[in-house]
Amino acid sequence: DIQMTQSPSSLSASVGDTVTITCRASQSISRYLNWYQQKPGKAPKLLIYAASSLQSGVPSRFSGSGSGTDFTLTISSLQPEDFATYYCQQSDSTPYTFGQGTKLESK
Amino acid sequence: EVQLVESGGGLVQPGGSLRLSCAAPGFTVSSNYMSWVRQAPGKGLEWVSVVYGGGSTNYADSVKGRFTISRDNSKDTLNLQMNSLRTEDTAVYYCVRARNKVAPFDYWGQGTLVTVSS
Repeated sequence: DIQMTQSPSSLSASVGDTVTITCRASQSISRYLNWYQQKPGKAPKLLIYAASSLQSGVPSRFSGSGSGTDFTLTISSLQPEDFATYYCQQSDSTPYTFGQGTKLESK
Repeated sequence: EVQLVESGGGLVQPGGSLRLSCAAPGFTVSSNYMSWVRQAPGKGLEWVSVVYGGGSTNYADSVKGRFTISRDNSKDTLNLQMNSLRTEDTAVYYCVRARNKVAPFDYWGQGTLVTVSS
């Protein structure tokens, strides 16, 4: 199974900040890496797919990069609605696996 | 607009069974790769099972031999038969859609809570 490791597990930031979350795969997954945002009591929402493609309707302050085993999600100019938990997920092969999540909190 | 609506969650005793369903009005379940993803209370996301467009299936090791995923093409519904339930199966179960085998989960249902407890 491919293990996905996210860091940090939690992050404190302020509105207007730029934050970066990293995700590392235990083996190469090419660019089959996706990012989701989840708010309490809600289903996750797809933000970024194929490492760097922005899902329709997602603000351009969200961006992704990477390939192989190392990936990043960057949120520029944080907005109040961005405080949530973020997950990476590999779709290269089953079992599809998620990172453990990064909780982004307001400082 | 793709909409996924789960049902069938509830409280069940350890060793019991439950069947979850996911209705997908507006699109053809059989043309998509449909999965179940679960989330234990306060925990992260765990992929459970997939049924591919061609009908083949795959499961997480944690549920293999106990859960069965299926689809009813005539009703455009996805099902998850869960047998021999354990306390660690307690979670919100989400029905999710992917366009193909390596695509992301782009549509999610609202989730249905399964509680396994005596």
